[in-house]
Amino acid sequence: DAGVIQSPRHEVTEMGQEVTLRCKPISGHDYLFWYRQTMMRGLELLIYFNNNVPIDDSGMPEDRFSAKMPNASFSTLKIQPSEPRDSAVYFCASSLQGAGYGYTFGSGTRLTVV
Amino acid sequence: DQQVKQNSPSLSVQEGRISILNCDYTNSMFDYFLWYKKYPAEGPTFLISISSIKDKNEDGRFTVFLNKSAKHLSLHIVPSQPGDSAVYFCAASANSGGSYIPTFGRGTSLIVHP
Repeated sequence: DAGVIQSPRHEVTEMGQEVTLRCKPISGHDYLFWYRQTMMRGLELLIYFNNNVPIDDSGMPEDRFSAKMPNASFSTLKIQPSEPRDSAVYFCASSLQGAGYGYTFGSGTRLTVV
Repeated sequence: DQQVKQNSPSLSVQEGRISILNCDYTNSMFDYFLWYKKYPAEGPTFLISISSIKDKNEDGRFTVFLNKSAKHLSLHIVPSQPGDSAVYFCAASANSGGSYIPTFGRGTSLIVHP
């Protein structure tokens, strides 16, 4: 298995533009997580899905953020409109049965909003 | 409010010596604890974990100690090697409907000097 695949690896966009981050989880994993990493807050859980259904989105900072999982092999995190304070590294992770020791993270998307 | 705290943003150690990374938590419901390791431009990877029924877990050069009364855990690396230089995230979780979704700290950047 190629692991969790995220795209793009880097994204630079102007304030106000829409940004879409993509994730392909490991086949067979039933949980998918979106995290954001910043110096100030470390690794923050934004939202997670179980069997393609959003379970907890309490970490989503604002209505500008939305996430979807249309099928078991694909998820998106969208920011519209983007702001400079959204600049961070966004990680997707997947696991079997939500077990923290079984998380596999993608390599992340480094987002810069100018 | 950070439920998992890593109060040292960075740690510098000489090769061959012991590295001790500390982590404190506030939620008494946490009963499973993990350490993840992250290299630059990569996602975090699982390193070692401990259940609240234990006070120590060892895996090669890595040992995690848990002090439940103090709500404190630590990761010991002996002996430290330059390849251990990375960011280490402490995480804690509690059983939530059969799933363990960890809460991560901000991370500690370890630098091991040759």
